[in-house]
Amino acid sequence: GAGVSQSPSNKVTEKGKDVELRCDPISGHTALYWYRQSLGQGLEFLIYFQGNSAPDKSGLPSDRFSAERTGGSVSTLTIQRTQQEDSAVYLCASSLVHGNTEAFFGQGTRLTVV
Amino acid sequence: GEDVEQSLFLSVREGDSSVINCTYTDSSSTYLYWYKQEPGAGLQLLTYIFSNMDMKQDQRLTVLLNKKDKHLSLRIADTQTGDSAIYFCAETRQGTYKYIFGTGTRLKVLA
Repeated sequence: GAGVSQSPSNKVTEKGKDVELRCDPISGHTALYWYRQSLGQGLEFLIYFQGNSAPDKSGLPSDRFSAERTGGSVSTLTIQRTQQEDSAVYLCASSLVHGNTEAFFGQGTRLTVV
Repeated sequence: GEDVEQSLFLSVREGDSSVINCTYTDSSSTYLYWYKQEPGAGLQLLTYIFSNMDMKQDQRLTVLLNKKDKHLSLRIADTQTGDSAIYFCAETRQGTYKYIFGTGTRLKVLA
């Protein structure tokens, strides 16, 4: 596609429910990142995928969070048993290679846990 | 540490210059970036600078890097109301792939 696409754009869920957030990166981009942006905060790194290498999950805040990237393209971030503190905007980005090249961001999924 | 710090707010009058500042802590930074986030949108790369440079100019944007003081700034000349947004500085470091972002500076341009 022309840009990084994320869905849904908004999600309201009840505390304790599971949610899945989807990211379609730019075609051909091998690196994919998930970040979380809480109100008034910077961007918190969550997880990184690069090609077929094992993902770096060091930023995931708890074992309720997981992510996968199927076929080196689409990625899904799953949050189990959501809590109110999970409310944030979840941003996905992709780049041609990792690190020192431009990362293109999607518009994010705004998650609200009530 | 991984801290990248920015002041939270900046307000300027239309037509004036804006200067947004950023400090970082890691001396192994390789690239430093400025991203812009408009309301309800993702982040858009404005410009970036390699760590062995001290200045980069791109139209109305001037990036200054003081590597000794670990200080990065973004100057926007002739600021317009359309420049109102949140500006994030970010860095990447040698041997890693994570973009480390600052907290963002909310720029408000007054007509």
